Amino acid sequence: QVQLQESGPGLVKPSETLSLTCAVSGYSISSGYYWGWIRQPPGKGLEWIGSIYHSGSTYYNPSLKSRVTISVDTSKNQFSLKLSSVTAADTAVYYCARASTNWGFDYWGQGTLVTVSS
Amino acid sequence: EIVLTQSPGTLSLSPGERATLSCRASQSVSSSYLAWYQQKPGQAPRLLIYGASSRATGIPDRFSGSGSGTDFTLTISRLEPEDFAVYYCQQYGSSPLYGFGQGTKLEIK
Repeated sequence: QVQLQESGPGLVKPSETLSLTCAVSGYSISSGYYWGWIRQPPGKGLEWIGSIYHSGSTYYNPSLKSRVTISVDTSKNQFSLKLSSVTAADTAVYYCARASTNWGFDYWGQGTLVTVSS
Repeated sequence: EIVLTQSPGTLSLSPGERATLSCRASQSVSSSYLAWYQQKPGQAPRLLIYGASSRATGIPDRFSGSGSGTDFTLTISRLEPEDFAVYYCQQYGSSPLYGFGQGTKLEIK
């Protein structure tokens, strides 16, 4: 059974960098699939942030591209998100997920709330 | 950029009734690239439908998807108490690569 688990600070100060990691178990990232980050501000809808392949190939949401870096560590079977220059608008639940070959996200982490506040 | 607009924003129905949720795209979307999710409070979204009409693993057959081009529909044939949640449609392939609708809340009447 594929499982994903997000980890990282729950509170980040404005203008700093948000950093999260997603640990994957039950499947080797090196075996394939794209892996993505999606966020959801409190009480609002879902926004795709970006995705990465095990080779390191990435795709980002143009609205966030200038501030986002997604990387992968196949030796640890995990991938990471960095979002720079955060503001209160970046406060959200951040999910990591597997992008399936049928173009949907079929496995999700439980999500982690990140609050941007001084 | 393809914008997905879901309607209605809120749907109030009773258990046992039929639910019809709409997802309209601002431009044509390949049926292969349209998915539906269910999200309950405090939980991650769950993939229900992919390819516009194929049920994901473990999804009951009371959930069905249909549509093509710019108009897609999620139908729940007979509502169970656990079906009351928020539903999102999602497209793949346009910019941004993955886009979501704003959601439809299905609430108990």
